[in-house]
Amino acid sequence: AQSVTQPDIHITVSEGASLELRCNYSYGATPYLFWYVQSPGQGLQLLLKYFSGDTLVQGIKGFEAEFKRSQSSFNLRKPSVHWSDAAEYFCAVGNNAGNMLTFGGGTRLMVKP
Amino acid sequence: DAMVIQNPRYQVTQFGKPVTLSCSQTLNHNVMYWYQQKSSQAPKLLFHYYDKDFNNEADTPDNFQSRRPNTSFCFLDIRSPGLGDAAMYLCALAGGGDQETQYFGPGTRLLVL
Repeated sequence: AQSVTQPDIHITVSEGASLELRCNYSYGATPYLFWYVQSPGQGLQLLLKYFSGDTLVQGIKGFEAEFKRSQSSFNLRKPSVHWSDAAEYFCAVGNNAGNMLTFGGGTRLMVKP
Repeated sequence: DAMVIQNPRYQVTQFGKPVTLSCSQTLNHNVMYWYQQKSSQAPKLLFHYYDKDFNNEADTPDNFQSRRPNTSFCFLDIRSPGLGDAAMYLCALAGGGDQETQYFGPGTRLLVL
């Protein structure tokens, strides 16, 4: 069965600092990987996804993520965080047979001024 | 323009009083999902439709039902809401040339009094 682990429940960074959110997955085949962001009281917005090809993927809002098969990881990064990035971030793995998503537990990002 | 529309955004109901949540889409995508998300948790899939084919998750309570009268609309019916059903309900869709990616609506926050 597929699973996703986001080891950090909460992360606090200063505005302008770099950010890395960790995601580890377990899946037998080549995974479909996603990062979503959720602001309070809102739905989930897709930041980026990886299906195949270049292992470094660019997303919206200046985010990128790198797929590392050897580490079963898909960490999300941003070089300079803005106060508006404060939100909950979910990593998810999809099975390419039936487009079912398995979510990680989420990481809540707080941004200090 | 919004791709996934959920109405209402906030719903208050009484314990045991049936409630219906609505989801509509402007993309004509064939797959629609309903998720339940409780505070500080990841979304939990309740069921999904692939076209008109209904797929219920094994652990979705019988209290939750769904209808999809046409491609554009999908409804979540909670027959007898309990206090534990208070949550955010998220609708998502997939389809077109990208069946593997789910796009989420803004959600409906349900409060049970």
